[in-house]
Amino acid sequence: QSVLTQPPSVSAAPGQKVTISCSGSSSNIGNNYVSWYQQFPGTAPKLLIYDINNRPSGIPDRFSGSRSGTSATLGITGLQTGDEADYYCGTWDSSLSAVVFGGGTKLTVL
Amino acid sequence: QVQLQESGPGLVKPSQTLSLTCTVSDDSLSSGSYYWSWIRQPAGKGLEWIGRMYTSGSPKYNPSLKSRVTISADTSKNQFSLKLSSVTAADTAVYYCARANYDVLTGSRNAFHIWGQGTMVTVSS
Repeated sequence: QSVLTQPPSVSAAPGQKVTISCSGSSSNIGNNYVSWYQQFPGTAPKLLIYDINNRPSGIPDRFSGSRSGTSATLGITGLQTGDEADYYCGTWDSSLSAVVFGGGTKLTVL
Repeated sequence: QVQLQESGPGLVKPSQTLSLTCTVSDDSLSSGSYYWSWIRQPAGKGLEWIGRMYTSGSPKYNPSLKSRVTISADTSKNQFSLKLSSVTAADTAVYYCARANYDVLTGSRNAFHIWGQGTMVTVSS
């Protein structure tokens, strides 16, 4: 079982907005920076969001991140078929002294 | 843009030691601006952080693997390595090396900006 909890799947139509949640605790999300990754089949994960709400160079502003208490959220607007992928949240867990990830969410753009 | 490349045997026998190397395309391995990690992903499953190293101090390992893991670096070769002992079928996975930026001001050091392409390791006799 993953330390961080994500929904297994989400779906939305092209052009719409979707949010992916990541639930944790005060030892991880509640007090540490959160990052989000996008992974296509057979490829390495790619960083989308770091430090809760920052985008690396080259990541479009359709992708956003936020945190409220012990939960974090990835938002994607203007959905495109090319956004179909698995999405993972990650953060440091101060109790475990380890980086922890969510179980991943498969995004389907209908 | 820096590149990371994993290398090592694709097949390891049970009870033996898995050894992988990550080659960094520039000399940033000796820079204090980055943390260097190994992460793995079994087929069809999620990501698992194995451990990391920095230019100074001791490496840090996932408690679930700590007794079997060693991460070290050879900065003269721009390489860092992973050794995982006493492997079983449960260690079969794609293994990634990754680089996290270290922000001295914010303390951020756990977001993986750069990833290797990954290497598949199968544990089987």
